[in-house]
Amino acid sequence: DAGVIQSPRHEVTEMGQEVTLRCKPISGHDYLFWYRQTMMRGLELLIYFNNNVPIDDSGMPEDRFSAKMPNASFSTLKIQPSEPRDSAVYFCASSDRAGYTFGSGTRLTVV
Amino acid sequence: QQQVKQSPQSLIVQKGGISIINCAYENTAFDYFPWYQQFPGKGPALLIAIRPDVSEKKEGRFTISFNKSAKQFSLHIMDSQPGDSATYFCAASPLDTGRRALTFGSGTRLQVQP
Repeated sequence: DAGVIQSPRHEVTEMGQEVTLRCKPISGHDYLFWYRQTMMRGLELLIYFNNNVPIDDSGMPEDRFSAKMPNASFSTLKIQPSEPRDSAVYFCASSDRAGYTFGSGTRLTVV
Repeated sequence: QQQVKQSPQSLIVQKGGISIINCAYENTAFDYFPWYQQFPGKGPALLIAIRPDVSEKKEGRFTISFNKSAKQFSLHIMDSQPGDSATYFCAASPLDTGRRALTFGSGTRLQVQP
């Protein structure tokens, strides 16, 4: 298995632009999570899905953030419009009973 | 999210020494306590985990000690090696969400000096 696959690895965008982060979870994992990591706030849970259904989005910072999981093998996290304070590393993770597996992350820089 | 407090923020240990990282939690509903290891440019990777029905779990050089009454758990790395230099995160989640929705500590940057 290739693990959790995230794309792109790096994204640099201008303030106000739309940004879409992508994630392919491990096949057979029934939960998918989006986390954001910054020096100041550490690892923050943004949203998670169970069987493609959003379960808890209370960590999504603002309406500018949205996430979808149209099928078991794909999820997106969208920021529109992006702001400099959104600069962070965004991780996707999927899980089964053995625990979480994280992707390598997308480093987002909003200038 | 319920808080998990982790200390120290950074730790320097000599090769062969013991590294100890501590975490404390508040939510008594937490019953799954994993530790993750993260290298620069990588995502966190599961290192070892414990449930509160045991007070200690050991895997190789890594040991979790768990104190349910104090709501504290710790990671001990025996015979620390330079390759252990990484950031370590404790985490916790409640049983009713099972392996889901982990709350992470703030992380400890470990440096093992040769």
